This record gives sequence, structure tokens and C-alpha cells, in this order.
Amino acid sequence: KAGVTQTPRYLIKTRGQQVTLSCSPISGHRSVSWYQQTPGQGLQFLFEYFSETQRNKGNFPGRFSGRQFSNSRSEMNVSTLELGDSALYLCASSLGQANYEQYFGPGTRLTVT
Amino acid sequence: AQSVTQPDIHITVSEGASLELRCNYSYGATPYLFWYVQSPGQGLQLLLKYFSGDTLVQGIKGFEAEFKRSQSSFNLRKPSVHWSDAAEYFCAVGGASGGSYIPTFGRGTSLIVHP
Repeated sequence: KAGVTQTPRYLIKTRGQQVTLSCSPISGHRSVSWYQQTPGQGLQFLFEYFSETQRNKGNFPGRFSGRQFSNSRSEMNVSTLELGDSALYLCASSLGQANYEQYFGPGTRLTVT
Repeated sequence: AQSVTQPDIHITVSEGASLELRCNYSYGATPYLFWYVQSPGQGLQLLLKYFSGDTLVQGIKGFEAEFKRSQSSFNLRKPSVHWSDAAEYFCAVGGASGGSYIPTFGRGTSLIVHP
């Protein structure tokens, strides 16, 4: 069974631009969570989607948004990029429905210049 | 609020030596506890988890962890470290709410293995 895939793997953007990251979960997984990983703040929860609905959201500004499609694929969007948004963005999928084993993708390394 | 403390930022061990990585948590109810490993440029891989039951849990790659409620700890151990174990290790704690699960991660412990 294929693992969690994230595209693109690397991205360089300029301050003020917006970016969209994509995540394809493991087949059959209905929950997708997004995390931001930085050296300064560590791993922080962004949001979780289950069956196309956002179930939970972390403490991030409204510039960070996401969505999930009917095939469980998910995208996250960051608008008006700031230098501090440079990070590794990780996606994790799980079966959801009281199954909390999360499987992580390799991440998208975003650099904002 | 839930929190996780991994007191050791770096740990250096010799290959073949035993390993223990510390994790202390704060959580108001019975926690779900996890250990993950991250190799450079990679995502996180689940090593083991504790939900309930036997407090000594076995994971992949020869790792085990023991849940000690009285000490609010969930330390990771391995009897004999291999060079390939060099990586970043993260402890996570969380609970369920409405079918959803939001973990809080520790800051990680970097494991260095000397030949």
C-alpha cells in the first residue's frame, strides 16, 4: 500500500505570495492532519480534516487554510507569505473514527525569501 | 493544557550500548502516548503507541517504552543501539475529542551513535 505523498517536496516563494501544498493520504484513510515544523517552535498542529470537514484547528492565523476533497486528498494554502512561514509542512493521515495512528508524509520544505 | 517535555536535546551513545530517551507529559486524563522517529529530510515514523492496558509496549525496530502514570513518564528504550538508529526522536501526547485526535509533540531528542 502506498504511503502518504506530499507535493511538491521543495518550494521557494517570495514574501507576500501565496502557496498551495498537496497531500494524498494512504488509501482508505479519511483523516488528514497538517503540521508545521520549525527549529524554533518544533512540531505544531495546523488543522485536521475528516470526510471533507475541518474537525480541529490549531492556533495559527487565518492566512493558513485547508480543504479536503471527496477522495480524502487534502490541500493547505498559505496566503500573504511571511518569512516566518519558512518551515517543513507535514501531512499525516489516519483512518479517523477513533483510530489515532497517524502516518506521516515526507513533508514539503517551504522557503520564503 | 497538554504538554510534553523531552529533557535531553542531544544524546550520544556508542553502537551496541543501551539507550533510554526520556519523555514527561502533562495531561488531564488518561493520555494517548506515542514515540516517533524522524530521519533527516523525512517525515515521522511511528515507533510505538500506548492507549491503555499493559504499561510496557513493544514497537518496531526493537524499541520499547514504559508508561508510568505516577511519574507522568513514557520513556523509550532499546537494549542495543545500531548506527542506523541515529535520528531525531519525538514523544507525543494527546487525547480524543469527538473522534478527533490532536497531539502535542515534544521538542525532540537528537540521537548520535558513535561506532
